[in-house]
Amino acid sequence: DTAVSQTPKYLVTQMGNDKSIKCEQNLGHDTMYWYKQDSKKFLKIMFSYNNKELIINETVPNRFSPKSPDKAHLNLHINSLELGDSAVYFCASSQGTGWNTEAFFGQGTRLTVV
Amino acid sequence: GQSLEQPSEVTAVEGAIVQINCTYQTSGFYGLSWYQQHDGGAPTFLSYNALDGLEETGRFSSFLSRSDSYGYLLLQELQMKDSASYFCAVYPTDKLIFGTGTRLQVFP
Repeated sequence: DTAVSQTPKYLVTQMGNDKSIKCEQNLGHDTMYWYKQDSKKFLKIMFSYNNKELIINETVPNRFSPKSPDKAHLNLHINSLELGDSAVYFCASSQGTGWNTEAFFGQGTRLTVV
Repeated sequence: GQSLEQPSEVTAVEGAIVQINCTYQTSGFYGLSWYQQHDGGAPTFLSYNALDGLEETGRFSSFLSRSDSYGYLLLQELQMKDSASYFCAVYPTDKLIFGTGTRLQVFP
């Protein structure tokens, strides 16, 4: 039983398209995140949600819109895709936002914009 | 702001010991975590240090010096399967911030 699952695992799309990535966690965690990992492997936080409420938005272009219908799900919708959006996107979850928080990651979605 | 610096790459042979350093600058600090990521995989949690000193978990140990804003991950008895990227991370407020990452290559 996968703890944090994302779909799809691979996504190839053309510039200008709109796409969504879904994420679900079955750990009962309160907090979920989206991270972007670029070709240099830098892991950069994009959004953080706690109990369905947005708590962190790291100056991400507003073409990216996260949605959390409930605390087990955090989806990411991207409008008007650009070449620079190509990256691996990771969803993660943790129990609370405490100081010794361990984050659990999904398997990642490799997005390629052509 | 926050920054966590790591060496970009480290190489070693099987059976050796390797140390991956992390120096950090953060506005708030509660502890230092380490994550491992194999190529094509997801980051997975390895260890956490809240207090100064060495924490040992099997072949892996992690060290923290808060006064020096410095920590390291020590991997002993290296195995081929330890080839991966390693990230230090801090949790200043409401988010987990990752270091620049160190790619470890283990050779036979």
